[in-house]
Amino acid sequence: EIVLTQSPGTLSLSPGERATLSCRASQTVSSSYLAWYQQRPGQAPRLLIYGASSRATGIPDRFSGSGSGTDFTLTISRLEPEDFAVYYCQQYGSSPRTFGQGTKVEIK
Amino acid sequence: EVQLVQSGAEVKKPGESLKISCKSSGYSFTTYWIGWVRQMPGKGLEWMGIIYPGDSDARYSPSFQGQVTISADKSVTTAYLQWSSLKASDTAMYYCARPGGSGFYEYFHHWGQGTLVTVSS
Repeated sequence: EIVLTQSPGTLSLSPGERATLSCRASQTVSSSYLAWYQQRPGQAPRLLIYGASSRATGIPDRFSGSGSGTDFTLTISRLEPEDFAVYYCQQYGSSPRTFGQGTKVEIK
Repeated sequence: EVQLVQSGAEVKKPGESLKISCKSSGYSFTTYWIGWVRQMPGKGLEWMGIIYPGDSDARYSPSFQGQVTISADKSVTTAYLQWSSLKASDTAMYYCARPGGSGFYEYFHHWGQGTLVTVSS
């Protein structure tokens, strides 16, 4: 089973700042099958990024994903008020699929 | 438009059985895998398993194998998650989700609204 470790656990930033979230895999994620999700309080997760760097439909271009192999990054270029949420990475290239433990982006 | 509508919140006692549902619409139900994700209170997301409604091929995470059963009924385009004997530790929000594509190795693009299951004596 691939273990995904996200860091930091919590990121305290102000609106307008840049957020950089990390996701490290215990083994190579095949074919860059890595996705990022956003979860706001009381809501279901929402897909942001798939294939490590492809934005899902309707996702603003301030969200970008990068990385390959075992190291992946989600970047939010300028935080908007609605971006303060929890973010999860997920690998879907091997069974069982696994999620990281999440990074909370909170208002400083 | 793809829609996944889950059944309502449940309150059960330990040892009871339960089956929650995920009604799908807006796409060909039998040609996409559909999965279940657990979120315990205040915790992260856990991938439980997936099913291919076309032939009811179900795959489970080792953590959930033998603990739950995933099934699907093509006639009503609905997927199910069931327990034969609930434990307090099954208290969680459960989401169904459908991948973006019809392949096996896919991310979850569409999500249900979640079903809160509370198990308490």
